[in-house]
Amino acid sequence: SAVISQKPSRDICQRGTSLTIQCQVDSQVTMMFWYRQQPGQSLTLIATANQGSEATYESGFVIDKFPISRPNLTFSTLTVSNMSPEDSSIYLCSANKNTGELFFGEGSRLTVL
Amino acid sequence: QKEVEQNSGPLSVPEGAIASLNCTYSDRVSQSFFWYRQYSGKSPELIMSIYSNGDKEDGRFTAQLNKASQYVSLLIRDSQPSDSATYLCAVVTGNQFYFGTGTSLTVIP
Repeated sequence: SAVISQKPSRDICQRGTSLTIQCQVDSQVTMMFWYRQQPGQSLTLIATANQGSEATYESGFVIDKFPISRPNLTFSTLTVSNMSPEDSSIYLCSANKNTGELFFGEGSRLTVL
Repeated sequence: QKEVEQNSGPLSVPEGAIASLNCTYSDRVSQSFFWYRQYSGKSPELIMSIYSNGDKEDGRFTAQLNKASQYVSLLIRDSQPSDSATYLCAVVTGNQFYFGTGTSLTVIP
């Protein structure tokens, strides 16, 4: 398995501000992804974080709102920009290795007031 | 997003019984299938993977896959109260994982 560390684990933010979530993996992985899990809901894929290039976003998610970086194989960031209460959610970093299995960080619980 | 459907439940079973969780998916080219368990307030943890048609057993867990019917299931034998959680079905298309809405399972002592 891969150990995935995320920070912050939780935060309370004001409307209109931006927050950057960091994700560090303990070993080299092939793919990194960002998911959102809204209260009582399942996981929705936001984007695939590509090393050294622009992320690949799913339908309904755009780079201006959720800019993502992945400067190397073990680190990625997700920024939630110009936040509104609708962005209140858990944001999960995930990664997989050549085994194909997907592992998750502990998540970042974001509350927007 | 790809369609991955699960019965939301809640599903309640008595301790020691078999819990049966079901999942259907829409994309015929999906290649890999996973079951995750998520306790309240925690991130998902991997239980099992299955790639080929048929059954795969791991301890008290058995995953079943039928690609022709686009159906995957998870059986939990001898259910324990500690199995109470939400179970998420994940389907892989290309390199991306798509999750179902999850089935909430409660095992009653």
